[in-house]
Amino acid sequence: NAGVTQTPKFQVLKTGQSMTLQCAQDMNHEYMSWYRQDPGMGLRLIHYSVGAGITDQGEVPNGYNVSRSTTEDFPLRLLSAAPSQTSVYFCASSYGTGSSYEQYFGPGTRLTVT
Amino acid sequence: QQQVKQSPQSLIVQKGGISIINCAYENTAFDYFPWYQQFPGKGPALLIAIRPDVSEKKEGRFTISFNKSAKQFSLHIMDSQPGDSATYFCAASTLGYQLIWGAGTKLIIKP
Repeated sequence: NAGVTQTPKFQVLKTGQSMTLQCAQDMNHEYMSWYRQDPGMGLRLIHYSVGAGITDQGEVPNGYNVSRSTTEDFPLRLLSAAPSQTSVYFCASSYGTGSSYEQYFGPGTRLTVT
Repeated sequence: QQQVKQSPQSLIVQKGGISIINCAYENTAFDYFPWYQQFPGKGPALLIAIRPDVSEKKEGRFTISFNKSAKQFSLHIMDSQPGDSATYFCAASTLGYQLIWGAGTKLIIKP
């Protein structure tokens, strides 16, 4: 099992450009989420999905879009990049039911917007 | 207010010592309290978790102490080792889906 994979590892964008951060998991997890991590602020939830075709906003959704067409994939789209979106982005997945709530994180994408 | 306040921001402990990181929460509906460990350049990984029906959970050198009345929980790392140097996050949730995260503690274990 590859677990949770994210691409790219690093990305530099100019202000106003758009891009898609890819996330995939091979554990058949129902729940997937996107976080951004900024120094001193912990992890902040951007968007999440409880299953294919179902997405919802988290704490900081502005400027980002998501879709969930399959169980495995959960891409994050930056519509028009801004310097405030410079951050490290993590995708995570977990089982949606049962007693196990462990979230499995990908290795992250470090994004710089100039 | 759904917040989890974590302290200290950073912590330096001598090898063999006890590392203690504290978290406080406000929402009494929280029913799941995990700690995640993150090494540089990696994503966080679950270290240990507790539910409010127990006051303590121990896994090897790692212990969570939970005080329901004070709405506080803490992570204790016994016999701290240089390999424990990492950033530690506490979190809390009601449904097991949307975790509310603390700001993180950068722990450095000096050899």
